[in-house]
Amino acid sequence: DAMVIQNPRYQVTQFGKPVTLSCSQTLNHNVMYWYQQKSSQAPKLLFHYYDKDFNNEADTPDNFQSRRPNTSFCFLDIRSPGLGDAAMYLCATRGGFPDTQYFGPGTRLTVL
Amino acid sequence: AQSVTQLDSHVSVSEGTPVLLRCNYSSSYSPSLFWYVQHPNKGLQLLLKYTSAATLVKGINGFEAEFKKSETSFHLTKPSAHMSDAAEYFCVVSDGYGGATNKLIFGTGTLLAVQP
Repeated sequence: DAMVIQNPRYQVTQFGKPVTLSCSQTLNHNVMYWYQQKSSQAPKLLFHYYDKDFNNEADTPDNFQSRRPNTSFCFLDIRSPGLGDAAMYLCATRGGFPDTQYFGPGTRLTVL
Repeated sequence: AQSVTQLDSHVSVSEGTPVLLRCNYSSSYSPSLFWYVQHPNKGLQLLLKYTSAATLVKGINGFEAEFKKSETSFHLTKPSAHMSDAAEYFCVVSDGYGGATNKLIFGTGTLLAVQP
């Protein structure tokens, strides 16, 4: 009964090689988020979608892009990963009362 | 502006003893408050949420939290720790009423260790 699914769980890429992380949801929530979480830190919001409206955080690097082709799916594209982009990437959706965010299991990205 | 402060970065308890993880919040209006737990290399799991319907909130796995407006606190407790409770715990406040932004403001986290 997984509600927010992330694939893959572990991703290894090379410095500068584009990588795409995927997220899907079965909750039919209209808001989806991408967070970056580095070791021993709280998650940091990169951007979110409210339906098809894309909302970028002011300090999110241009290297990070996102696509949401439909309600269920959302992708995080890292165009040229650097060593500093190695982190856990968390996808979340929002719904219910009070508005609650539900997180996926995360994708651990390693950059070699 | 909304904010949360987790007063302890590390807490260590013995199995079977009570757990207390402390959180203070700052909010200009009635907040939505949450506790999330994160086990190593896993996503965040919602433990409980404060809806303003009741000040004592019961969550999963025997955890509960009490909203105290006078103390601006939302401490997380459990009567008896289990080894499986060892994890990172985040106290979180929502910055909106559910509008388009409605971002989460995270505390810095408390790492709970449970000794056998």
